[in-house]
Amino acid sequence: EPEVTQTPSHQVTQMGQEVILRCVPISNHLYFYWYRQILGQKVEFLVSFYNNEISEKSEIFDDQFSVERPDGSNFTLKIRSTKLEDSAMYFCASSEEGGGAFNEQFFGPGTRLTVL
Amino acid sequence: DAKTTQPPSMDCAEGRAANLPCNHSTISGNEYVYWYRQIHSQGPQYIIHGLKNNETNEMASLIITEDRKSSTLILPHATLRDTAVYYCIVPLTYNTDKLIFGTGTRLQVFP
Repeated sequence: EPEVTQTPSHQVTQMGQEVILRCVPISNHLYFYWYRQILGQKVEFLVSFYNNEISEKSEIFDDQFSVERPDGSNFTLKIRSTKLEDSAMYFCASSEEGGGAFNEQFFGPGTRLTVL
Repeated sequence: DAKTTQPPSMDCAEGRAANLPCNHSTISGNEYVYWYRQIHSQGPQYIIHGLKNNETNEMASLIITEDRKSSTLILPHATLRDTAVYYCIVPLTYNTDKLIFGTGTRLQVFP
């Protein structure tokens, strides 16, 4: 069964450093998402991406964050200058449909980001 | 904020049906109700969705009231592997793909 994969599974970084989290969505999916979950808290939407553009973003997704689909298979989340409060599990998701139609989002296993 | 309210926790005996309620009194006519679950710290997993009619798939059944203000997810024969946090999600507007997760219901299935 096709699945979303994410690398690395765990990333440790120093405050102020840049990190790139990588995701490989399901191959025929067109809509891509990033969510995060701070330990013990809710899953929070960060951004959605379609047709090489950001469709929606949350207040969390400020200028420190960016997303890219560099090569037609990978979908990346970059945090330019990490802060302690960026420590969280980051989930990538993808869906075949979107734009408000029913869309089953398939989530990856997550990358645990620890900022020291 | 989420448009849904769910009980924080429920218990269910293995092999019995688990009935998880959800209130979504502000739902509009063309918004879907989605159910996802999260097992431990894994990525959320889609379970089922519905608009107006009751739905069933290999994982669960979804019963939506006629006024669409509430729904119930039914796991017909709960197993220990169904222990998870279950989220009932209604998008904030009909034309968004953004999933707003609330605190969900923590279902504990016991032997």
